[in-house]
Amino acid sequence: AQKVTQAQTEISVVEKEDVTLDCVYETRDTTYYLFWYKQPPSGELVFLIRRNSFDEQNEISGRYSWNFQKSTSSFNFTITASQVVDSAVYFCALEGGGSYIPTFGRGTSLIVHP
Amino acid sequence: EAEVAQSPRYKITEKSQAVAFWCDPISGHATLYWYRQILGQGPELLVQFQDESVVDDSQLPKDRFSAERLKGVDSTLKIQPAELGDSAMYLCASSLGGRTVPDTQYFGPGTRLTVL
Repeated sequence: AQKVTQAQTEISVVEKEDVTLDCVYETRDTTYYLFWYKQPPSGELVFLIRRNSFDEQNEISGRYSWNFQKSTSSFNFTITASQVVDSAVYFCALEGGGSYIPTFGRGTSLIVHP
Repeated sequence: EAEVAQSPRYKITEKSQAVAFWCDPISGHATLYWYRQILGQGPELLVQFQDESVVDDSQLPKDRFSAERLKGVDSTLKIQPAELGDSAMYLCASSLGGRTVPDTQYFGPGTRLTVL
C-alpha cells in the first residue's frame, strides 16, 4: 500500500520568509513518481513538479526548490522569499506500482501574511 | 493555454435530489479522471476513463453514483440520490494517456457540492 504523509496541517509565515513543506512517503515499489500540486482558493490543483525515484537531484525553479531523499523517503518543498500569492494548500502525491493513480497527502495550508 | 472546464462551479441541493456535473478535458487528452475532495483532505479517485471506457471505478459508490464519457471527450458524473455526506469538491482532471511513463494530470476548477 502507498501512503503520503504531510504532517504540517497549516503553516503561517510573514512575506519574504523562507518556508519548507514536508512530505514523507511509503511505498514498496522500486519505481515510483512524486508530485507536488498547489491548490489556491479558486480550487483547481496546479501541477508544480514530477520526479521519478531514480533521480535524486534537487531541483530549483525560481523561488521553488525540491529536496528528494530516498534514504528518508522524503520529498520536501521549499519556497524562498515567500509572497502573499503563495498562500494556498499544497499537496504531495505518490504514484507507483504500475498504477497511474496518484495517492495524495492531506495537504499543507500555507498562509503568507503581508 | 488549454484548460479543463467544469460546470457548475457551485451546486446546492437537498438530500435525495439528483445532481450532475460536467467536465470537458483538454483537447487531445485521452484519459479523464473524477476525484472527490472532502474538506481538509486530498483528492480521492472516483473513476478513470481511457477514451470512452472505464479503467477504474473501484472507489465509485455505484449504488448512487454514475459516470459516463460516451464519445470519449466530455464526461458527466451523476449522483442520485444525493446524501449529506456527498458534500465535497468534485474535481475533474485529464491527461494525455500514456501507459509507459507517468502521465501528468491537469485539473479543472472543480464543482463544490453542498447537500442540505
